[in-house]
Order: sequence, then C-alpha cells, then structure tokens
Amino acid sequence: DIVMTQTPLSSPVTLGQPASISCRSSQSLVHSDGNTYLGWLQQRPGQPPRLLIYKISNRFSGVPDRFGGSGAGTDFTLKISRVEAEDVGVYYCMQATQFPYTFGQGTKLEIK
Amino acid sequence: EVQLLESGGGLEQPGGSLRLSCAASGFTFSNYAMSWLRQVPGKGLEWISVISDSGGYIKYADSVKGRFTISRDNSKNTLYLQMNSLRVDDTAVYYCAIDGSGWYAGYWGQGTLVTVSS
Repeated sequence: DIVMTQTPLSSPVTLGQPASISCRSSQSLVHSDGNTYLGWLQQRPGQPPRLLIYKISNRFSGVPDRFGGSGAGTDFTLKISRVEAEDVGVYYCMQATQFPYTFGQGTKLEIK
Repeated sequence: EVQLLESGGGLEQPGGSLRLSCAASGFTFSNYAMSWLRQVPGKGLEWISVISDSGGYIKYADSVKGRFTISRDNSKNTLYLQMNSLRVDDTAVYYCAIDGSGWYAGYWGQGTLVTVSS
C-alpha cells in the first residue's frame, strides 16, 4: 500500500496569514494514464470530509481560490493564502492512483 | 443539489451482520462510481470499497475483503454495503462518496455510525 505522510500534524495559524501543509507519498503517484491522483480534503469539526483539490492542483466545485495545491511525483503541498476562521479543521491528503486509496494522518489547522 | 444519505448503522455483536444503504439524489447516479469509506471517531480516514457506475468493477481494502460486499441498484439510486463477520475494529462512521472523472470522494454523505460490541 502507498503510505501518505503529512507534516506538520498540527498547525497554529494567525487569521489572515498563509498556511501550508506537506504530504509525501511512499512511491510516485503518477498513474499509467499520466495523471497524478492526489487530492486534499478538509474536515471541519462535526462534519464529513469535503474535497478541496484533485489531481494535485484542481479546485473542486465551490472551493474558494485561497486554496491551492502543488507538487509532483511524491511531494505535494496544500497552501491557504489567507486563513479564515471557517478553515479550522483537519486536512487530509489522499491518493487514488493505486488501490487501496490511502490517506495521510491528517493535519489539524487551528487559530492562534 | 447533490445529496447522499447513509442509513443502516447501529449496534451489532461481533460476528454479526449489518447492511448499510446510501440513497443518492441530485445527480445521475448511474453515471458515477461510488465508494464506501470509514472513520473511527476522532481518528483518520480509511477507504474500504469502490464500485463502478455499472457495478461491473469492484475493489476492496484488504481489511474488509471476504467479509463486506458492495453493490448498487441504479434503478433505486442506492448504494449498499453488506457487512458480515463484523469485528470490534469495524466500529466507525461509514460514509458513501462519489467518484467522478479525475476526482475521487468528491461528495460525501453525513455518515452512519456502526458500533460492534458485545
């Protein structure tokens, strides 16, 4: 199975400041079709997860443009340009390149 | 509006069975693959199974292979998860989610809690 490792596991951020979360996979996430199926999900307290980013950098429907994804191969980053109060929650990276789909451990974003 | 509503969770004894359902609305159900995922309360996410739009392609995580069966009824816009030989470590909130073209787990239901305990 592909192991997804996120850093940091906790990220205290000041409102209005940027935040960044890293995700590293144990092997390349480039699929045989040439795509890289790396996504980012947000889980607000008491809510189900919500897809933010797919295929490294594509924002999903309704996701604000302050969320951005980047990376390639085995190293990926989620960036929030200016953190808002509603961004508090746990963020997960997920790979869907190879079965079983696997997730990172989660990064808890909290406001300082 | 896309809606997914899971049901069928509850308390079951080890070795028992449960059948989860996921009622879908707001999109053309028969056009999308669907996944089941789970989350132990307070813990991380685990993908457990996917079924293609027609039902002809199915995959399972090793943790549930041979015990759980995913299926769908496109005429009823409903996804199912038959869970047999339940174990204490199957205790979790179970979610259904939609897999699209190039994106995975794009929309999630609210989840249904399964508790396996004697």
